[in-house]
Amino acid sequence: NAGVTQTPKFQVLKTGQSMTLQCAQDMNHEYMSWYRQDPGMGLRLIHYSVGAGITDQGEVPNGYNVSRSTTEDFPLRLLSAAPSQTSVYFCASSGGPGGDGYTFGSGTRLTVV
Amino acid sequence: QQQVKQSPQSLIVQKGGISIINCAYENTAFDYFPWYQQFPGKGPALLIAIRPDVSEKKEGRFTISFNKSAKQFSLHIMDSQPGDSATYFCAASKGSARQLTFGSGTQLTVLP
Repeated sequence: NAGVTQTPKFQVLKTGQSMTLQCAQDMNHEYMSWYRQDPGMGLRLIHYSVGAGITDQGEVPNGYNVSRSTTEDFPLRLLSAAPSQTSVYFCASSGGPGGDGYTFGSGTRLTVV
Repeated sequence: QQQVKQSPQSLIVQKGGISIINCAYENTAFDYFPWYQQFPGKGPALLIAIRPDVSEKKEGRFTISFNKSAKQFSLHIMDSQPGDSATYFCAASKGSARQLTFGSGTQLTVLP
């Protein structure tokens, strides 16, 4: 049981490049989320999904796109990378409001130069 | 607008001591209050959580105290150990989607 798997673990991008951060979970969780973690700011919600085909914006969605075609996968796309998107990105999944909270992946450290 | 305020930013405690981290929230619609523990290079892991219908929840050495009228909740770590050294985040959520709003984190160091 792998839980929540994020790839890659590290990535360096040039300004203006695009890329996709991958997230997959094998717990059959309906709820999935993307957060970014910056020093002194905790984790901030980027986008989330409550089921396949359903996504919504979080607190800091600008510059990011998501889709949820399957229950297992929830990729995060950076459309045109900017230095302000340098951060650690975490994907998380949950079985829902009656469950035991969110399980987080180990993160992707992204640097935009 | 920071909806969940966490303090202190950093905390140093001697082994065997009590670590106390405080959080305050603004949105009265929040109805689920978890604490997460994060070690360097790892993702946050759920430590303990409470719902507002109880004032305290204890799991081993970890206790959440909840004051609904003051809109405050705190994490107490009894008999703190060096292995507890980590960053702790409080969080709050509401509604069926249960999306988390996090505090800014507390870096705890337990000295041997």
